[in-house]
Amino acid sequence: TQLLEQSPQFLSIQEGENLTVYCNSSSVFSSLQWYRQEPGEGPVLLVTVVTGGEVKKLKRLTFQFGDARKDSSLHITAAQPGDTGLYLCAGAGETSGSRLTFGEGTQLTVNP
Amino acid sequence: KAGVTQTPRYLIKTRGQQVTLSCSPISGHRSVSWYQQTPGQGLQFLFEYFSETQRNKGNFPGRFSGRQFSNSRSEMNVSTLELGDSALYLCASSLTGVRGTEAFFGQGTRLTVV
Repeated sequence: TQLLEQSPQFLSIQEGENLTVYCNSSSVFSSLQWYRQEPGEGPVLLVTVVTGGEVKKLKRLTFQFGDARKDSSLHITAAQPGDTGLYLCAGAGETSGSRLTFGEGTQLTVNP
Repeated sequence: KAGVTQTPRYLIKTRGQQVTLSCSPISGHRSVSWYQQTPGQGLQFLFEYFSETQRNKGNFPGRFSGRQFSNSRSEMNVSTLELGDSALYLCASSLTGVRGTEAFFGQGTRLTVV
């Protein structure tokens, strides 16, 4: 069974601060995705990383996939209140079809 | 391009009843997966359908079942509802390509069992 450990579980910061969310596993994933979810809504896909060592930037968000494709991180620079939400990482196994294994999520609150 | 559509958005059912949820995937996507989300357990995989066949199944009891139609639309059914089945049920439409598997979620169906 593939597991993804996400940390921290909760994060409350002030506007303008930087933060990093981590997603770790002992399993190798063929791809890893990051989502953001608002209360009562479905997760919205932010990015997909597929190559070990890959770094992708989306405005103030930087996503990195570990060299061994077992871990990933999300770094937000100069966080804004609009970044508030639940951030989820999800990995696709190499033989699991479209089945995704999700981390527990990081609830981020950015205070003005 | 229309996104993933789930109906209904909200449901209230009584213990012992059954419920059917519906999902229309993104046009051209042949894979549909279902997830259950609860505060304590996070997102748990229920099952995946691809071209009308169940391709993967999670660790849920047989009360949870699904199917997929030839137009890729999918339904999931929960029979003999229990209080613990109260959750947000999410449907994901997926495409696997050079960028790996990318899943796009609907808004979910909030099921409350009383």
